[in-house]
Amino acid sequence: EADIYQTPRYLVIGTGKKITLECSQTMGHDKMYWYQQDPGMELHLIHYSYGVNSTEKGDLSSESTVSRIRTEHFPLTLESARPSHTSQYLCASSEYPGQGHSPLHFGNGTRLTVT
Amino acid sequence: EDQVTQSPEALRLQEGESSSLNCSYTVSGLRGLFWYRQDPGKGPEFLFTLYSAGEEKEKERLKATLTKKESFLHITAPKPEDSATYLCAVQARGNTGKLIFGQGTTLQVKP
Repeated sequence: EADIYQTPRYLVIGTGKKITLECSQTMGHDKMYWYQQDPGMELHLIHYSYGVNSTEKGDLSSESTVSRIRTEHFPLTLESARPSHTSQYLCASSEYPGQGHSPLHFGNGTRLTVT
Repeated sequence: EDQVTQSPEALRLQEGESSSLNCSYTVSGLRGLFWYRQDPGKGPEFLFTLYSAGEEKEKERLKATLTKKESFLHITAPKPEDSATYLCAVQARGNTGKLIFGQGTTLQVKP
């Protein structure tokens, strides 16, 4: 059973709007991630965090930003949405890298459509 | 460059017809290989972790195996509820936590 929650599940928004995708986990995991997934394509890492006040960019260039003020919360923000941002955004968490083999636990995603 | 390739892209089976999914990888020192299952509209769900060549893991009708270049997910006597997309991912040494995913194999099991 997933203990990682993403809201909203679906979002349709116009170009130029600022949006924040919410992600919260109740497992006390230190590491959190944001992945982007397009239909039939692999997941691409866009941001990750080792813990509070730690954020890093992933392998896929993204115009989004993230913050990690609390362990359980890892929101992703787009300052000005564009149609190219249309995608599914998946949040995940795992235990501390010292236990680096810990699997990722994923939320159910936010499907974003920018018109 | 670290890379993961899954085949086939799609697979249709009759209920009870066993088969295998392939995950080929190139990585600079494998720390772990992960299999996930993803249902439509949901996030990936963890199935297995494999760490070294020769290792095998089983869960119900699924068995995952690992060699130095690839992993197989064997599905024995599948049922319609096994229909999903199966994702393979690798974690390289020194790359703690970051996974490189394949594009997945979409499995459909017909009754």
